[in-house]
Formats: sequence, C-alpha cells, structure tokens
Amino acid sequence: AQTVTQSQPEMSVQEAETVTLSCTYDTSENNYYLFWYKQPPSRQMILVIRQEAYKQQNATENRFSVNFQKAAKSFSLKISDSQLGDTAMYFCAFMKQGNTPLVFGKGTRLSVIA
Amino acid sequence: DTGVSQNPRHKITKRGQNVTFRCDPISEHNRLYWYRQTLGQGPEFLTYFQNEAQLEKSRLLSDRFSAERPKGSFSTLEIQRTEQGDSAMYLCASSLQGADTEAFFGQGTRLTVV
Repeated sequence: AQTVTQSQPEMSVQEAETVTLSCTYDTSENNYYLFWYKQPPSRQMILVIRQEAYKQQNATENRFSVNFQKAAKSFSLKISDSQLGDTAMYFCAFMKQGNTPLVFGKGTRLSVIA
Repeated sequence: DTGVSQNPRHKITKRGQNVTFRCDPISEHNRLYWYRQTLGQGPEFLTYFQNEAQLEKSRLLSDRFSAERPKGSFSTLEIQRTEQGDSAMYLCASSLQGADTEAFFGQGTRLTVV
C-alpha cells in the first residue's frame, strides 16, 4: 500500500517570498505520478502541478516548481513570489499508473501574509 | 459549466436518517471517484467507477454506504442510518481513463449529522 506523508501541518510566508512544502511517500511501484493539489478555503480542490516518476526533470508551472527525488521518495513544492491568493491547504498526492484512486497526505495549511 | 458538479452543497440530517448525494462528472470522463474528507485531514478514497462498473471499494465503505453510476454518467452516494461519525465533506472527482491525467474535483457535499 502507498502512503504519503506531509510533515508540516501549517506554514506561513510573507508576500513575495519563497516557501517550500515537504512531501515524502512510500511505494514499491516504479511507474507512478505525483501531484500537488490546492484547496482554498470553502472552494474546490485544483491541481497545482504534476510529476511523472519516469521523468527526471522536475516539473515547473509558472511560480510553482517541484524537487522530485525518486530514490529518496521525496516530492517538495516550491512556491516563488508568494501571493495572497496562494493561501490554501496544499495536498500532496500519489497515483499508480492507470488512473487509480489518489492517495493523499494530510495536507499543509499555507498562509501568505501581507 | 463543464466542471464536476455536486449536490447538495450542504446537508444537515438527524442521526439514523438516510441521505443521498449526487455527482455529475465532466461529460467525457469515464472514471468517477468518491472521497471523504474530515476536518484537518486529506481526502480518503471511498470507491470508484469506470463507466457504470464499480471497480473498487475501500474498507472505509461500510455496508451502510452504497454508490451507483447507473448509466455511466452521474453517480449517487447513499448513506443509510447515518451516524455522527459520518459527518464529513464528501468529494467527487472524475478523470479520463487511459490518459493518466489528473482528476478534477467538485466542490463537495458537506454532511453534518446531528
């Protein structure tokens, strides 16, 4: 069974600064996908970024980037130039190949402070 | 609106009553997932469908829970004889099987059992 661990229940960052959210996972699979989802207060969960395990290059989406360390089973999210709208719960999630159900971590609550 | 739609958004019910939630996925998505999210936790998988076939049920899904997707389009999740421990956010997501794409989430149904 797969597990996902987010060890930071809460974090805060000043507007325009950079913050890194941590995620580790455990799996015996070789091919899989990792995701970061954002859940703003009282709003639906949306995808921030995804990483295919077979790709060595770290994924980047505008201000969001990941540090994927397959051997260490680590998948951290870096948010650059933090904005007030980044305030949300962030969930790290694992998916085996074949659109299987996601396995989520417990989340990190990020507050961006003006 | 082409997103995942869930109804109702909120439901308050007395212990022992039955409740039913509905999810309308993105129209071309053949996979549909149900998750449960309690306060301060990440979503936990309940069950999922490919078209009308229910592929997997979590051990979290007691025999009081039943889910259907009769024509491979919308899905319903019914909870019989609700208990206070059923109070949670119930999330629905959909994806396109075979493309290993991300799942898109609805806004959820918040259930409160009093």
